[in-house]
Amino acid sequence: SAVISQKPSRDICQRGTSLTIQCQVDSQVTMMFWYRQQPGQSLTLIATANQGSEATYESGFVIDKFPISRPNLTFSTLTVSNMSPEDSSIYLCSVGRGPPSYEQYFGPGTRLTVT
Amino acid sequence: AQKVTQAQTEISVVEKEDVTLDCVYETRDTTYYLFWYKQPPSGELVFLIRRNSFDEQNEISGRYSWNFQKSTSSFNFTITASQVVDSAVYFCALSEPLLTGGGNKLTFGTGTQLKVEL
Repeated sequence: SAVISQKPSRDICQRGTSLTIQCQVDSQVTMMFWYRQQPGQSLTLIATANQGSEATYESGFVIDKFPISRPNLTFSTLTVSNMSPEDSSIYLCSVGRGPPSYEQYFGPGTRLTVT
Repeated sequence: AQKVTQAQTEISVVEKEDVTLDCVYETRDTTYYLFWYKQPPSGELVFLIRRNSFDEQNEISGRYSWNFQKSTSSFNFTITASQVVDSAVYFCALSEPLLTGGGNKLTFGTGTQLKVEL
């Protein structure tokens, strides 16, 4: 499995500001994913970040609010824009191991609190 | 749409007891993959097991075992002789094809909080 790191590990931000979360993988991967886990809840996929193409967003998530970059095969960023307290969550990136297994390995997460 | 149900929100057991975590899924796909992940208090998600829809053999790994029953759409997880270190949230997940770009995404259940006490 890949070693995945995220920065920052946690942050407390003011309402109306933006935060960019970085995800670094120790090997080249085709598919990277960004998930949100609201307090006490399950994980919800925000978007799929593929190198060389636009991110694909899930229903309920838009690019203006969660812009994603994927400049190469080992790195991606997720920005949470114009934050509100409802954005307080853990944000996790994962890397996909393609067919036939399709399992995903997750980074340690970024714990975001918006005040 | 695919769905994963983990009806047990929270389970408390005493150390050394056996405990089974239930997972029921819904899918229209004939080929699919099921997963279990562990999320300890530190927050990171740890991959435990993957099972594909063609393989109904049960699997055992140390104190962990998994029972996959396609007929009942269930993929249950048993911890034998539980330990305090097993305390965590456990998520069951189902893979489904992405609409664009290829690959699969994971649909997670709501998780089961397991508390193992001395």
